Amino acid sequence: QVQLVESGGGVVQPGGSLRLSCAASGFTFRSSGMQWVRQAPGKGLEWVTFIRYDGNAQFYADSVKGRFTVSRDNSKNTLYLQMNSLRAEDTAIYYCAKAPAGSVDYWGQGRLVTVSS
Amino acid sequence: QLVLTQSPSASASLGASVKLTCTLSNGQNNFVITWHQQQPEKGPRYLMKLNSDGSHTKGDGIPDRFSGSSSGAERFLTISGLQSEDEADYYCQTWDTGGYGVFGGGTKLTVL
Repeated sequence: QVQLVESGGGVVQPGGSLRLSCAASGFTFRSSGMQWVRQAPGKGLEWVTFIRYDGNAQFYADSVKGRFTVSRDNSKNTLYLQMNSLRAEDTAIYYCAKAPAGSVDYWGQGRLVTVSS
Repeated sequence: QLVLTQSPSASASLGASVKLTCTLSNGQNNFVITWHQQQPEKGPRYLMKLNSDGSHTKGDGIPDRFSGSSSGAERFLTISGLQSEDEADYYCQTWDTGGYGVFGGGTKLTVL
């Protein structure tokens, strides 16, 4: 069955950096677009970024553009999110999601990122 | 800019049916959406992909009680025979031709 397992994250000071990873299994990773979605405490879901199946196109929400970078290693079935210049408002649970046609059809369990001094 | 509008809350009695609505902005009547459920203190779960003609494809293990339909710019999620575990937040999602995703604000469903 499809599994998406995030790792990384934790607590970081404002202005700092973190990298999230998402190990995928149970489907043909190299054939599927992928997304990161986040959820701030007590808030709704927010789309963060999408990467095409081959890694040759990426799209970002305005709130993270220029600070976050999505990438993937299809040889390792792994998705990444590099987060730089982190702000308090980036505090959220970050979900890795399988998105073969743009919208999500499987979710990871989520990883908490806390930006605080 | 693509926007999805959902009512913040809904309620229905145990065993009854409820119909949740997701409205696409600017008359984008042909857009496909997906519905997701998030039970309290859990991560989201994919429910279904819903086309503009009302045809839908459900995720693994989603009960027959969950169904979708469409009318113009509106996309609906109907839950029949409500159970206590259906009390959750429900989100719709779509994406535009530029590759940008968007979620609705979510509907908090209370089962009375």
